[in-house]
Amino acid sequence: AQSVTQLGSHVSVSEGALVLLRCNYSSSVPPYLFWYVQYPNQGLQLLLKYTTGATLVKGINGFEAEFKKSETSFHLTKPSAHMSDAAEYFCAVSESSGTYKYIFGTGTRLKVLA
Amino acid sequence: DTGVSQDPRHKITKRGQNVTFRCDPISEHNRLYWYRQTLGQGPEFLTYFQNEAQLEKSRLLSDRFSAERPKGSFSTLEIQRTEQGDSAMYLCASTSGLRSRLSEAFFGQGTRLTVV
Repeated sequence: AQSVTQLGSHVSVSEGALVLLRCNYSSSVPPYLFWYVQYPNQGLQLLLKYTTGATLVKGINGFEAEFKKSETSFHLTKPSAHMSDAAEYFCAVSESSGTYKYIFGTGTRLKVLA
Repeated sequence: DTGVSQDPRHKITKRGQNVTFRCDPISEHNRLYWYRQTLGQGPEFLTYFQNEAQLEKSRLLSDRFSAERPKGSFSTLEIQRTEQGDSAMYLCASTSGLRSRLSEAFFGQGTRLTVV
């Protein structure tokens, strides 16, 4: 069975500092991985996805993530945090067959300090 | 197209009442999913439709829950005899059938249910 673990339910960074949100996955087949962002009382917006090919994936709003098979990780980074980045971030893996439903991590709430 | 729409955005109901939520997916998307998200948790899968066929239901979907997708367009999720434990955000998502697994899911804004 596939699963996702997000280390750190809350992360605080100063404005302009590096953002690093951690995601580790478990999958018996090559995973398809996603990062979504959720603002309060909103749905989920796709930041980026990894399917195949280049392991460094660039997304919207300056975010990027690197797929590391040896570490079973897909950490999300942004060089310089902005106040508008404050939100909850979810890592997900899609099921490898059938419904292709997503299995989500428990989320990381990012706080950006002025 | 404005994306996935969900209605209502918020619903407060008394315990024991029935509620129904609606989801309008992106028009060309034939795959539709319902997820439930409780406070401090990630979304959890409830059920999946391919066109009008409901092909998978989670164990989370008790017999008080029913979902439909008539004609493969919009979908409804009904909860009968609501309980306080049903309080959550209900999210709908759709994806294109093309390139199946490669296609990312587009989520609606969600319906926040509060059972009092």
